[in-house]
Amino acid sequence: EDQVTQSPEALRLQEGESSSLNCSYTVSGLRGLFWYRQDPGKGPEFLFTLYSAGEEKEKERLKATLTKKESFLHITAPKPEDSATYLCAVRVTGANSKLTFGKGITLSVRP
Amino acid sequence: DAGVTQSPTHLIKTRGQQVTLRCSPISGHKSVSWYQQVLGQGPQFIFQYYEKEERGRGNFPDRFSARQFPNYSSELNVNALLLGDSALYLCASSRGGLGIDEQYFGPGTRLTVT
Repeated sequence: EDQVTQSPEALRLQEGESSSLNCSYTVSGLRGLFWYRQDPGKGPEFLFTLYSAGEEKEKERLKATLTKKESFLHITAPKPEDSATYLCAVRVTGANSKLTFGKGITLSVRP
Repeated sequence: DAGVTQSPTHLIKTRGQQVTLRCSPISGHKSVSWYQQVLGQGPQFIFQYYEKEERGRGNFPDRFSARQFPNYSSELNVNALLLGDSALYLCASSRGGLGIDEQYFGPGTRLTVT
């Protein structure tokens, strides 16, 4: 069974304190790994798609990386507005558009 | 361009009732997927529709059904509501149905079953 595990469950950072969020996965065949940001009571907002090990993508203070077993979302010099839940999801081969999500990591950035 | 839209925003129903949720995809997107998200969990896949045909179904009972219309909008129907159906229901659209495109989510419908 395809599994996605995110850690830690929650992370509290001081503004400017860089850190990384982890997403480990066990799947039959990875077709893509996705990162989303979700604010309370809202739908997930698309951030990145990674397709193969070694791939990296950046957007403002966020950088996503992918290995054969896990992905990291690096947050450099975070600001309070980066506070949200970050969701990781995988799409496996032969599974059409189905995304399998982890539980998410709740990030709080204090000013 | 408008994003994915969903209606209603909030809904309160009683156990045993039926509910219909609606979704309009991003213009040009032909695939719609539905997800259920309970508090503290990630979204769980319910259905995918592409070109009005069901392309995928998650582990949900037959009380859950959906359909897609010629304009690519979609409805999710849940019969015989249970307390455990209380959740945020999310609709996501993507350009194609082959599973290689990003999915963009709507704001969701918050369903409360009492």
